[in-house]
Amino acid sequence: QSALTQPASVSGSPGQSITISCTGTSSDVGGYNYVSWYQQHPGKAPKLMIYEVSNRPSGVSNRFSGSKSGNTASLTISGLQAEDEADYYCNSYTSSSTVVFGGGTKLTVL
Amino acid sequence: QVQLVESGGGVVQPGRSLRLSCAASGFTFSSYGMHWVRQAPGKGLEWVAVIYYDGSNKYYADSVKGRFTISRDNSKNTLYLQMNSLRAEDTAVYYCARDYRVVTAIMPHYWGQGTLVTVSS
Repeated sequence: QSALTQPASVSGSPGQSITISCTGTSSDVGGYNYVSWYQQHPGKAPKLMIYEVSNRPSGVSNRFSGSKSGNTASLTISGLQAEDEADYYCNSYTSSSTVVFGGGTKLTVL
Repeated sequence: QVQLVESGGGVVQPGRSLRLSCAASGFTFSSYGMHWVRQAPGKGLEWVAVIYYDGSNKYYADSVKGRFTISRDNSKNTLYLQMNSLRAEDTAVYYCARDYRVVTAIMPHYWGQGTLVTVSS
């Protein structure tokens, strides 16, 4: 049950786009389309932003998008806004019927 | 709307036990898988355990297997986490979360606000 691999931090200016990667194995990210992404602001509970690789829950801005290639999933945020500054976590279902998170990525909006 | 309220956290000595509860409302509790996820101070999210909608299957992270037990009472719309043999590294905010679709136990969607467990002598 090793954590998925994410960059520790990314940054971008308002209006720009950024991409956060999430690398796993064929037993998790690569084996299932059950990859999700969460946004967490300091002191708050996580919020689901993307599910099943590329689907957005109701109410989530279409500036957030997800994709997957092989064992790596990606979250892209376009048109960066100040309120996007937060921690982002990827998550995947695994072949052991468990769930695994990435280590988290801190997004800074410059 | 979906509401999840955790309780039962506090300060406990190493080696002792604690039981967390999560009261659910705003949805048909007995139709959804439920998760526990924790977050140590200043650290990332760590998935802890999941239980199927009917309690028929339970799965655990290696870090808690054999020490923690997840359970549910669908008549009370409540999820539980029994934590035994607690260690300092179990110190964290514990969140309960509902799965994203009925019947499945794959992906946390709605989250509670969490309850803090501190293991210290």
